[in-house]
Amino acid sequence: NAGVTQTPKFRVLKTGQSMTLLCAQDMNHEYMYWYRQDPGMGLRLIHYSVGEGTTAKGEVPDGYNVSRLKKQNFLLGLESAAPSQTSVYFCASTKLAGDHEQFFGPGTRLTVL
Amino acid sequence: GDSVTQMEGPVTLSEEACLTINCTYTATGYPSLFWYVQYPGEGLQLLLKATKADDKGSNKGFEATYRKETTSFHLEKGSVQVSDSAVYFCALINFNKFYFGSGTKLNVKP
Repeated sequence: NAGVTQTPKFRVLKTGQSMTLLCAQDMNHEYMYWYRQDPGMGLRLIHYSVGEGTTAKGEVPDGYNVSRLKKQNFLLGLESAAPSQTSVYFCASTKLAGDHEQFFGPGTRLTVL
Repeated sequence: GDSVTQMEGPVTLSEEACLTINCTYTATGYPSLFWYVQYPGEGLQLLLKATKADDKGSNKGFEATYRKETTSFHLEKGSVQVSDSAVYFCALINFNKFYFGSGTKLNVKP
């Protein structure tokens, strides 16, 4: 099992450009999450999904869109990147709701110039 | 809204010293509580968890007790090692959403 994988690992964008981050998990988990990690602020939830075809807003959803067309994949899109979106992005998945452990990907470091 | 507050770091200790990282939370209902650890360049890994009041989570010599009366979940270890150097995050889950603290960096010197 590869667990949770993220592509790409690094990316540099110019303001206004768009991109999509891909998260894939091979553990047949129902729930998937996208977080951003900024210095001194821990992880903040951007969007999450409770199953294939579903998405929901988290704490900081503005400027991002997501899709969960397949159970194993959760895509995070930036339509028009801004310098404030410079961050490290982590994807995570959980088998079910409740107190189940979240499994995290290795992260994507995004810089917006 | 729900939130987690943990002590700011960095915390620098000598090997074999005792560790306490404070964590308090605000939440409605009955959240489950977690400690995650992040090693350099990696994602977060679950260290331990507790699902109800007075539960004690433990793993790799680390312990934390779910204290509902003080809304706390402090992380403790009696004797730290250089290999424990990492960033530690306190977190809670409530109504399908995770909330993380800002993280505490631990540096352990030989």
